[in-house]
Amino acid sequence: GESVGLHLPTLSVQEGDNSIINCAYSNSASDYFIWYKQESGKGPQFIIDIRSNMDKRQGQRVTVLLNKTVKHLSLQIAATQPGDSAVYFCAELGGSYIPTFGRGTSLIVHP
Amino acid sequence: GAVVSQHPSRVICKSGTSVKIECRSLDFQATTMFWYRQFPKQSLMLMATSNEGSKATYEQGVEKDKFLINHASLTLSTLTVTSAHPEDSSFYICSARVRTSGGASETQYFGPGTRLLVL
Repeated sequence: GESVGLHLPTLSVQEGDNSIINCAYSNSASDYFIWYKQESGKGPQFIIDIRSNMDKRQGQRVTVLLNKTVKHLSLQIAATQPGDSAVYFCAELGGSYIPTFGRGTSLIVHP
Repeated sequence: GAVVSQHPSRVICKSGTSVKIECRSLDFQATTMFWYRQFPKQSLMLMATSNEGSKATYEQGVEKDKFLINHASLTLSTLTVTSAHPEDSSFYICSARVRTSGGASETQYFGPGTRLLVL
């Protein structure tokens, strides 16, 4: 289930399940969005991106959905694996292409 | 993919000393480098934007005299935390924006981060 911790919300899933991580962004002028994965003690890694003229984009095992009406992004991970355990951040970018990071969600995958 | 390195990966220093962190783009030229700070269980907060050969642009609330940024070349930016105090202990992450023949790209690559602990 999903719970909100002191700073980071946490999503716990079983290995093999699908995971859905949500993100609300703040700036309606943002036109480019990126999902990053950050493992403990490491820098963020690019997962998938989407531009505002799209509402869905698929990668390998990951899908990003964008709902501009409610300023909402989601990251879907299919067949979640223990190696997917990490903190996931969405980032919104405008014309300056400087990402503003969202709050982050900690994904815990139980074997 | 493009690689960004940071050195050192972790550093422990005494209060009042200065610490320099290097960020290098290893196989590409970076028009712009960015410095972020991340406290435990929190998001990345942009500190400053660094362009090669010009002064860095600092975000509101970030002291430019405390966090000195030098961007001497298209592949190297340094962040110096001057007179460090325990509250400066954090995870410092740089990123580099790829320079392409057509101009600046929106693609950024992040370094592995530097853990700073000030005693």
